[in-house]
Amino acid sequence: QKEVEQDPGPLSVPEGAIVSLNCTYSNSAFQYFMWYRQYSRKGPELLMYTYSSGNKEDGRFTAQVDKSSKYISLFIRDSQPSDSATYLCARGGSEKLVFGKGTKLTVNP
Amino acid sequence: NAGVTQTPKFRILKIGQSMTLQCTQDMNHNYMYWYRQDPGMGLKLIYYSVGAGITDKGEVPNGYNVSRSTTEDFPLRLELAAPSQTSVYFCASSYSKGGGYGYTFGSGTRLTVV
Repeated sequence: QKEVEQDPGPLSVPEGAIVSLNCTYSNSAFQYFMWYRQYSRKGPELLMYTYSSGNKEDGRFTAQVDKSSKYISLFIRDSQPSDSATYLCARGGSEKLVFGKGTKLTVNP
Repeated sequence: NAGVTQTPKFRILKIGQSMTLQCTQDMNHNYMYWYRQDPGMGLKLIYYSVGAGITDKGEVPNGYNVSRSTTEDFPLRLELAAPSQTSVYFCASSYSKGGGYGYTFGSGTRLTVV
């Protein structure tokens, strides 16, 4: 079983929609959970970072961690065409970050 | 603040040729990484370094070599290029081993082997 599983999509939504991106992980020892955004032909950039369980909100973005179900989510409210990118989840702890394969999101105007 | 700088941005190699992908960071991070990214396959770790003079293999090290003589630089060497090494290569650095503050990525090198 891979350590971080992520639905590759692609996901296509209309502008203004609420987007939900999800990952599952297998090792409950993980402490840090992150979301990276990668625009086409660019390097990944850190978007959201959470430690342990709970929610973290930053503008239109909310990262959620449910350690009991080993589930991490990223919600995007009022999605914009500029949100079109690939989103990668990642988990960290005492060892190197492990990344999901990424979900490609397209927001259509 | 430049962050992580990779050169070149694009390169076409012929089978059997060699090249070095350059990576420099100006954040004084001890930890540095090389990934390759193929369509639909996510990021695969090639090599990483925990400090100057210390390197270790990742999941896909075959066909590559690295060195780390300074904190700032972490070049990736391809010897005897093969079509299977056609990919986008990303260098990253971090403050902590477990990625507690996240990784900072470069903008990538797009390599084609023909």
